Amino acid sequence: KNQVEQSPQSLIILEGKNCTLQCNYTVSPFSNLRWYKQDTGRGPVSLTIMTFSENTKSNGRYTATLDADTKQSSLHITASQLSDSASYICVVSGGYSSASKIIFGSGTRLSIRP
Amino acid sequence: GAGVSQSPSNKVTEKGKDVELRCDPISGHTALYWYRQSLGQGLEFLIYFQGNSAPDKSGLPSDRFSAERTGGSVSTLTIQRTQQEDSAVYLCASRITGANVLTFGAGSRLTVL
Repeated sequence: KNQVEQSPQSLIILEGKNCTLQCNYTVSPFSNLRWYKQDTGRGPVSLTIMTFSENTKSNGRYTATLDADTKQSSLHITASQLSDSASYICVVSGGYSSASKIIFGSGTRLSIRP
Repeated sequence: GAGVSQSPSNKVTEKGKDVELRCDPISGHTALYWYRQSLGQGLEFLIYFQGNSAPDKSGLPSDRFSAERTGGSVSTLTIQRTQQEDSAVYLCASRITGANVLTFGAGSRLTVL
């Protein structure tokens, strides 16, 4: 069964600290993995996209890693800011034309405290 | 438009009533998706439109749910005889052919009393 599991479910850290969010998947065949940020009351917004051959990709203070062998990805946030408070969703695609192959994780809710 | 537009942003209805939710995708985006997000849950796929092809309806939870996309642009999601378990945020996303990224609207929050 195609699944995307994220951990932790929720996380609270102090402003300025770093954190790492985890994503494990069993989607096959694998096409790409994306991390989305969803602010409260908003739709998800793409942060990074990674394909099979990519191990690391950065977007400002966000760095995503991908291990296609172990089917694990992580999102590392450096020097957290209050605006980082949001849900972070891992999305794995097993193809690029079938909607049923786009599998969403349930997200990690991150809260940054001053 | 510049982004995916959804309306209404909030809808409160009584159990048993019908509701229509509208999605206006980004101009030129041929693929359109509807998802449902219940409180604290991940996104649940509902339906997918791609160009003039028959839509993928495999995610619709019951025959009370239907969607159409007119002229390859605006889409309407209709929920008939709403139930309390239909309460959720309904998100629409669009994608240009060949791209991997979905652009989401802000969602329509449906509350069924």
